[in-house]
Amino acid sequence: SQQGEEDPQALSIQEGENATMNCSYKTSINNLQWYRQNSGRGLVHLILIRSNEREKHSGRLRVTLDTSKKSSSLLITASRAADTASYFCAFTGGGNKLTFGTGTQLKVEL
Amino acid sequence: DAGVIQSPRHEVTEMGQEVTLRCKPISGHDYLFWYRQTMMRGLELLIYFNNNVPIDDSGMPEDRFSAKMPNASFSTLKIQPSEPRDSAVYFCASSPSRGAHSGYNSPLHFGNGTRLTVT
Repeated sequence: SQQGEEDPQALSIQEGENATMNCSYKTSINNLQWYRQNSGRGLVHLILIRSNEREKHSGRLRVTLDTSKKSSSLLITASRAADTASYFCAFTGGGNKLTFGTGTQLKVEL
Repeated sequence: DAGVIQSPRHEVTEMGQEVTLRCKPISGHDYLFWYRQTMMRGLELLIYFNNNVPIDDSGMPEDRFSAKMPNASFSTLKIQPSEPRDSAVYFCASSPSRGAHSGYNSPLHFGNGTRLTVT
């Protein structure tokens, strides 16, 4: 399967803590993206990192990419209850098809 | 910008019936994607269009599924006849043109999906 694998499948933390999610993939990629999905809603794009980049920041988000290990991580710092959602990595190899990972369900408790 | 609009939000139908899902992409976006999401299989790309032309339909599961994009502001996904295993959430997404450089890809903008239940 070309699908990305994410771990952990589920993560529960306290508000204010950091949350780290990992994504692994099998193919060569052009870029890797992270999306958030709130319950009952569509996916929302968070951040895109290109294959020649190693780290990228956006607000409380930090994404790293290690193409030699075919893996990426998403760090959410100082988490809030509103960060409770499912998080998906997605990547493109050749062509324009975006393949999604299996997702991590994050729960941030007060 | 109203975002990607999908209708209906929920659809409950009986096995054998025809189902039509609708999508209005963001104005100016010339890529449109249909995805299906289930617990077992996650998010699967069914088909995508560029400038209203189907580019890759290899993800369409069977001939019972068909998709059209008659103009830049409207697309449909039809299932005929529907089966219980088609129950899922179907998402439409759009994105603007890809850049000229190899490997540049634009983020997708998703609608809120149609939850289909086939009994």
